[in-house]
Amino acid sequence: DAKTTQPPSMDCAEGRAANLPCNHSTISGNEYVYWYRQIHSQGPQYIIHGLKNNETNEMASLIITEDRKSSTLILPHATLRDTAVYYCIVKDDNQGGKLIFGQGTELSVKP
Amino acid sequence: GAGVSQSPRYKVAKRGQDVALRCDPISGHVSLFWYQQALGQGPEFLTYFQNEAQLDKSGLPSDRFFAERPEGSVSTLKIQRTQQEDSAVYLCASSLYITAGTEAFFGQGTRLTVV
Repeated sequence: DAKTTQPPSMDCAEGRAANLPCNHSTISGNEYVYWYRQIHSQGPQYIIHGLKNNETNEMASLIITEDRKSSTLILPHATLRDTAVYYCIVKDDNQGGKLIFGQGTELSVKP
Repeated sequence: GAGVSQSPRYKVAKRGQDVALRCDPISGHVSLFWYQQALGQGPEFLTYFQNEAQLDKSGLPSDRFFAERPEGSVSTLKIQRTQQEDSAVYLCASSLYITAGTEAFFGQGTRLTVV
């Protein structure tokens, strides 16, 4: 079973920041938080991952709380092409690196 | 190619027919994963290879499903005697290593429809 909880859907206005929350209250010390997204009819696409510290790349920022029980993915200036299902995943080394997907958050960016 | 390639993109099979789905991972990637994605659901893990060794097949739904990666690169997922409930998108992913902190790259998937 997925170890994360996400809202099923969110809306965001084009050009505004999209903040996608994720709860992972049972995360253990060596588990990373990964974010993937899946645009309709495509395979999932890696966005970002982190362990303890906040991370930023060209796609997004990842904010992880100090207790690591939750995180937020931030798309700073959402575009229509960011409309997708966003998956927050906690990766367990004991499972050989496999990703356990939940239901994700369906983000709709509206003009 | 630069990414994970899957073929065919679409497959229609008659119930009872055998099918073979191919995955070409990124060159040099050690780990290879197969996932099954039903309509409206997140991908579900099927099986995992480290080079040619199949280390985890706990997600394969029945003994009709078989996967191989004989030379540690290309992989084939075979489904025997297909049933309607096998209709789904089958996704392949590869990653350079197996440890946490390593991203996986996914192919576009093969959409299987069993009629």
